[in-house]
Amino acid sequence: DADVTQTPRNRITKTGKRIMLECSQTKGHDRMYWYRQDPGLGLRLIYYSFDVKDINKGEISDGYSVSRQAQAKFSLSLESAIPNQTALYFCATSDPRDYETQYFGPGTRLLVL
Amino acid sequence: KQEVTQIPAALSVPEGENLVLNCSFTDSAIYNLQWFRQDPGKGLTSLLLIQSSQREQTSGRLNASLDKSSGRSTLYIAASQPGDSATYLCAVETSGSRLTFGEGTQLTVNP
Repeated sequence: DADVTQTPRNRITKTGKRIMLECSQTKGHDRMYWYRQDPGLGLRLIYYSFDVKDINKGEISDGYSVSRQAQAKFSLSLESAIPNQTALYFCATSDPRDYETQYFGPGTRLLVL
Repeated sequence: KQEVTQIPAALSVPEGENLVLNCSFTDSAIYNLQWFRQDPGKGLTSLLLIQSSQREQTSGRLNASLDKSSGRSTLYIAASQPGDSATYLCAVETSGSRLTFGEGTQLTVNP
């Protein structure tokens, strides 16, 4: 079984809808991250969390919110989706004891119409 | 602001060739540098991580080097195989465990 899982894997939604992307991990890591990937722009950090009580904005947090429900779960919400949020979204985890190597989920492909 | 650049953007080579992928970064105050592989439609897989105090790391046919003072890293792939075809991403960790990624090099190894 995969160590980092994301649901859904694919999602089509309409402008203005609220959607949630979920991430779960079995690696026991405290640190979790949400990225988006766009062609020609690489991966950009949206939010990150170092433990259940710690949430930090990344490079491009506007239009997004997150919830760290437990050590193993980190959810990303789009409160009112817009077309330029169409992208591939990745969740990742890391552990300082492992030199902060980041382990990625398989990604969620989101299309906002 | 840290910026990471990867050259070339795409590379096509015949099977068996040795090749080098390049990564450069603008701020030398990094904690580590990581190389990832991404297959189409899939997530990223960590290949090698070089700590800021190290000069290189090796894993099988892969060797990554780091010259922090000049802001450069290279990923050397020996005896390339069609299964090496993927996009290779370089990322540097600055403060707070935050990674800054390059746009990647899309590698195609032709049989």
